[in-house]
Amino acid sequence: AQSVTQLDSQVPVFEEAPVELRCNYSSSVSVYLFWYVQYPNQGLQLLLKYLSGSTLVKGINGFEAEFNKSQTSFHLRKPSVHISDTAEYFCAVRYANDYKLSFGAGTTVTVRA
Amino acid sequence: SAVISQKPSRDICQRGTSLTIQCQVDSQVTMMFWYRQQPGQSLTLIATANQGSEATYESGFVIDKFPISRPNLTFSTLTVSNMSPEDSSIYLCSAGTSGSYNEQFFGPGTRLTVL
Repeated sequence: AQSVTQLDSQVPVFEEAPVELRCNYSSSVSVYLFWYVQYPNQGLQLLLKYLSGSTLVKGINGFEAEFNKSQTSFHLRKPSVHISDTAEYFCAVRYANDYKLSFGAGTTVTVRA
Repeated sequence: SAVISQKPSRDICQRGTSLTIQCQVDSQVTMMFWYRQQPGQSLTLIATANQGSEATYESGFVIDKFPISRPNLTFSTLTVSNMSPEDSSIYLCSAGTSGSYNEQFFGPGTRLTVL
């Protein structure tokens, strides 16, 4: 079974500082990788996805992530965060031959002034 | 992309009652899913809603507790039956198209509190 590990449950960060959210997955087959964001009292919004091609993926709101196959990681980064980036972030994985998503436990990002 | 709406957005229900949640997608999609997000937790897939046939349930979820309908390609319902306080969660509908490059789009969720 595939599993997704988000290594940090809580990440406090000051405004305009960089942030990195770590995600590792377990899989011996090809995978598709996603990062979703959930703002307070809202549903999930897709930030970015890796399907194939370049391992550096750029998403919305200035976020980017890098797929590292040898380390089975898909870490999310933003060079300078805003207060509005305060949210829950979920890493998700899907096998190439399946339609189901497996989600990590989530990382709560709190941006302080 | 697909825009997904859910009704109701939230509800407070009494133990032993049932609640039906509706999910509407603004375009025809192949796949529709229902997830549960318990307080402070991640998302757990309940079932895949299949059009014209019975839903496919994940381990730990059964049709008697979570009956699902999908009468067409843009609409699905999830019923939470005989509710208990342990059913208090956010229930999210998602949708996508089949194929290698599909992505799932999520509705805003239904926040359910069972007293």
